[in-house]
Amino acid sequence: NAGVTQTPKFQVLKTGQSMTLQCAQDMNHEYMSWYRQDPGMGLRLIHYSVGAGITDQGEVPNGYNVSRSTTEDFPLRLLSAAPSQTSVYFCASREGQYSNQPQHFGDGTRLSIL
Amino acid sequence: QQQVKQSPQSLIVQKGGISIINCAYENTAFDYFPWYQQFPGKGPALLIAIRPDVSEKKEGRFTISFNKSAKQFSLHIMDSQPGDSATYFCAARIQGAQKLVFGQGTRLTINP
Repeated sequence: NAGVTQTPKFQVLKTGQSMTLQCAQDMNHEYMSWYRQDPGMGLRLIHYSVGAGITDQGEVPNGYNVSRSTTEDFPLRLLSAAPSQTSVYFCASREGQYSNQPQHFGDGTRLSIL
Repeated sequence: QQQVKQSPQSLIVQKGGISIINCAYENTAFDYFPWYQQFPGKGPALLIAIRPDVSEKKEGRFTISFNKSAKQFSLHIMDSQPGDSATYFCAARIQGAQKLVFGQGTRLTINP
């Protein structure tokens, strides 16, 4: 199994550009989420989804959109990139909504906004 | 109130020593406390987890100690090895909720 796959691994954008970070999982997990990781801040939840067609906001949703048209895919869209969005972005999936099963993380997308 | 505070931010331990990372929380509705390990260039991976109805859980060289009254929990790595060098995150989940709240992370370096 590939687990959670994120693309691209690295990206440089100019302020104001838009882009989509891709996330796909092959474990048929219901729950998927996006985090950003910044030094000294830990992992902060951006958006999450408990199943296809259902999404909700996390701690830091401003400037980001998500959709969940299939169980496998959960893309994250930056509408108009800002330097404050320079970060490492992680997608994660988990078996169930309230499960104590572990979250499986992708290897991240390192995004720089100039 | 949903925060988890983790310390220290960085830690250097000699090979064979004990590494200790601490976390504290305020929200008594947290009911699940996992620790994640992250190597450079990789995503975090679950290391060990505990529920508040037990005071300690051990898996190999890794132990979680949980103090419910003090609202603190800690990760102990016995006989620390260079391969343990990584960033460690504690986390907590509110009972009945889907979301995990993460601590700030600790960068652990084990010197050979």
